[in-house]
Amino acid sequence: AQTVTQSQPEMSVQEAETVTLSCTYDTSENNYYLFWYKQPPSRQMILVIRQEAYKQQNATENRFSVNFQKAAKSFSLKISDSQLGDTAMYFCAFMLVPGSGNTGKLIFGQGTTLQVKP
Amino acid sequence: GAGVSQSPSNKVTEKGKDVELRCDPISGHTALYWYRQSLGQGLEFLIYFQGNSAPDKSGLPSDRFSAERTGGSVSTLTIQRTQQEDSAVYLCASSIRPRGYNEQFFGPGTRLTVL
Repeated sequence: AQTVTQSQPEMSVQEAETVTLSCTYDTSENNYYLFWYKQPPSRQMILVIRQEAYKQQNATENRFSVNFQKAAKSFSLKISDSQLGDTAMYFCAFMLVPGSGNTGKLIFGQGTTLQVKP
Repeated sequence: GAGVSQSPSNKVTEKGKDVELRCDPISGHTALYWYRQSLGQGLEFLIYFQGNSAPDKSGLPSDRFSAERTGGSVSTLTIQRTQQEDSAVYLCASSIRPRGYNEQFFGPGTRLTVL
């Protein structure tokens, strides 16, 4: 079975600074995806960034980047130049590659609440 | 285009009553997922539908929970004889197809409160 662990229930950062959210996971599989989702108070889950396990290069999306350490099963999210609109709960998630009996269901960590302070 | 919609947005019910939660996926999306977000259990998978295939019900917590998807589109999650531990936000997501990577788009969720 796959598990995802986020050890930081809450974090805060000053506007314009950089913050890193941690995530570790456990799996015996080799083909999977990792994600970071953002959930603002509106409850709407928004995909922030995706990483394919077979890719060594870390994914980046504008101010968001990941540090993917496959051997260590670690997948952290770095938010640069934090903005007030980044205030939300962030979930790390794991997905086995869909197909061949895998449904593509997401397995989530417990979440980290990020507060960006002005 | 329209995203995933869910209704009602909020539902308050009394313990022991039955409730139905509805999900309208994005048109053309064949894969549909239900998740539950609760304080005690975090965000967990409940059930998966893909076209006319048998659903994956492996995440349903008890036989009080059931779901159906009619015509490959709208899905209804039914909770019978609700209990206080059923209080949670129920999220629905859809993706265009289940093979390879396809982003799951989430609805805004239904917040269920069982008194």
